[in-house]
Amino acid sequence: DGGITQSPKYLFRKEGQNVTLSCEQNLNHDAMYWYRQDPGQGLRLIYYSQIVNDFQKGDIAEGYSVSREKKESFPLTVTSAQKNPTAFYLCASSPPPNSGANVLTFGAGSRLTVL
Amino acid sequence: DAKTTQPTSMDCAEGRAANLPCNHSTISGNEYVYWYRQIHSQGPQYIIHGLKNNETNEMASLIITEDRKSSTLILPHATLRDTAVYYCIVRANPYSSGSARQLTFGSGTQLTVLP
Repeated sequence: DGGITQSPKYLFRKEGQNVTLSCEQNLNHDAMYWYRQDPGQGLRLIYYSQIVNDFQKGDIAEGYSVSREKKESFPLTVTSAQKNPTAFYLCASSPPPNSGANVLTFGAGSRLTVL
Repeated sequence: DAKTTQPTSMDCAEGRAANLPCNHSTISGNEYVYWYRQIHSQGPQYIIHGLKNNETNEMASLIITEDRKSSTLILPHATLRDTAVYYCIVRANPYSSGSARQLTFGSGTQLTVLP
């Protein structure tokens, strides 16, 4: 079945350490996105990529970095510069605009806790 | 994109219809109404979207008022598995490139289906 796989599901990190969250999709979607969700809050956009080797900052990109070397993969690195990284991270993708409604498909999420 | 207003929480008895309202009084003519839901600690799931006509799919119905300033998502026979946060989003032209980037998820409505 096609879908989005995020790993790890749970991750603990010490302060000052960088950590990379994996996001892989086999939906042949062009666009991919990273969102952050804090308890009781909605989703905030961190980065998005509409095509391989290209990505743009979202609303809260500071302290995060991404790469898009392959269509299927869009890893997110939470750097030590991110002051409050404990959160639930969601990866999503969307199909090309001419293939139908541009709805997002989400992964199951990765919960990062900084100790 | 137009701002939306949703109640913070709602309860519904199992087997009854759940009617979730959303106000979007500043919606413009080219903006669609989208609904997603998020079951606790999972990624959001697309439910339905529409422009001005009522829409129905296997999950739900979407009723949009004639002036398009509000809409209602209807789950015809709510089950315990429908307990989730429901997000109402409005955004322009879902068929244009990169526009999924503009999906803004607010805090949504926590629907609790009671046995």
